[in-house]
Amino acid sequence: LAKTTQPISMDSYEGQEVNITCSHNNIATNDYITWYQQFPSQGPRFIIQGYKTKVTNEVASLFIPADRKSSTLSLPRVSLSDTAVYYCLVGDILLQAFNKFYFGSGTKLNVKP
Amino acid sequence: ETGVTQSPTHLIKTRGQQVTLRCSSQSGHNTVSWYQQALGQGPQFIFQYYREEENGRGNFPPRFSGLQFPNYSSELNVNALELDDSALYLCASSSGTDTQYFGPGTRLTVL
Repeated sequence: LAKTTQPISMDSYEGQEVNITCSHNNIATNDYITWYQQFPSQGPRFIIQGYKTKVTNEVASLFIPADRKSSTLSLPRVSLSDTAVYYCLVGDILLQAFNKFYFGSGTKLNVKP
Repeated sequence: ETGVTQSPTHLIKTRGQQVTLRCSSQSGHNTVSWYQQALGQGPQFIFQYYREEENGRGNFPPRFSGLQFPNYSSELNVNALELDDSALYLCASSSGTDTQYFGPGTRLTVL
């Protein structure tokens, strides 16, 4: 099980950039890094996924250093609606072995006005 | 929206009863995974189905069972319900090289 470590919580203000770092020291060669966002009583929502270097989409960027032992989710100019729990998962997407994906407790992001 | 749907949205049962939860996967997805999420915790993997066969299971007792149908939709069955089974049950679908996409969940309350 590729365990991950994230901060339990973070505070930010509207309009700021937020960076959430996830540590995954035991990442395997074929593992991808995936981030989800979850609001209370809803299913996790896919944000972004990457293997190495940098990935960017319309909502976030994902920075992965060369050793891949950590990753940073960057949310530009957050708003109150970004208040949620963010999960970092590591695993072999190509094998579809989701029993080896570890959610942990996630990072609770609180965006203040 | 992910295209993964779950029913019912909410359910209330009493201890000892049995429950069936349903999930329709996103179009083109042939793998379905089920998760249990207790309040304040991250989702915990229950099991996974690929082309109608269970091919991965988490640390859950045998009273948690499932099925996947030829159209890749799936059911989660829980027998002999316990109070601790109260949780949000999540279904996720995936396929090939694609990641998992989650449904909205079913909130189960056991009294």
